[in-house]
Amino acid sequence: SQTIHQWPATLVQPVGSPLSLECTVEGTSNPNLYWYRQAAGRGLQLLFYSVGIGQISSEVPQNLSASRPQDRQFILSSKKLLLSDSGFYLCAWRKDNSGNTIYFGEGSWLTVV
Amino acid sequence: GEDVEQSLFLSVREGDSSVINCTYTDSSSTYLYWYKQEPGAGLQLLTYIFSNMDMKQDQRLTVLLNKKDKHLSLRIADTQTGDSAIYFCAESSNSGYALNFGKGTSLLVTP
Repeated sequence: SQTIHQWPATLVQPVGSPLSLECTVEGTSNPNLYWYRQAAGRGLQLLFYSVGIGQISSEVPQNLSASRPQDRQFILSSKKLLLSDSGFYLCAWRKDNSGNTIYFGEGSWLTVV
Repeated sequence: GEDVEQSLFLSVREGDSSVINCTYTDSSSTYLYWYKQEPGAGLQLLTYIFSNMDMKQDQRLTVLLNKKDKHLSLRIADTQTGDSAIYFCAESSNSGYALNFGKGTSLLVTP
């Protein structure tokens, strides 16, 4: 069976510090991978998606970036965090583009202070 | 992008039925989904329906789809306090890479 894990689960970072959130998927190959952000009262916002190693599409211009160094690894990064980057970050995977379901990780709470 | 709209709050009494509604604008939507999010947790897939169906039932959950009106609903029978959560409606199309989510409906079940 497939599993998805992301970490850390919670972190508090000062403004201007870097960020690295990691996500890995097990039990499948060549998945589509996603990073969503959930800010209070604003639902789910798609940040990045990837259909293969090294292929990253950005949905929202911002100071965040994503990388996919391995087939089942997806990393969300920032060089300098802003207060507005606070939120709940969700990694997700999907088998392919044909309408199959997206499955989510446990989420990472980021508070920028 | 395409819009998915849901009411933000719903309160029901334990034992009653809950109906959460959703509308979407993308006429090419192929799959429509309902996810549940408990406090501090990720999203859990509850059920999904293919666009050529108009109803799907799974135990206490019933999904109704009116494709003409682009309206989706989730009915939870015999609602329990453990059903209190945020429920997200989402849609995807064959041409889309990701799901497009609504803002979520907070369901509060009172004893």
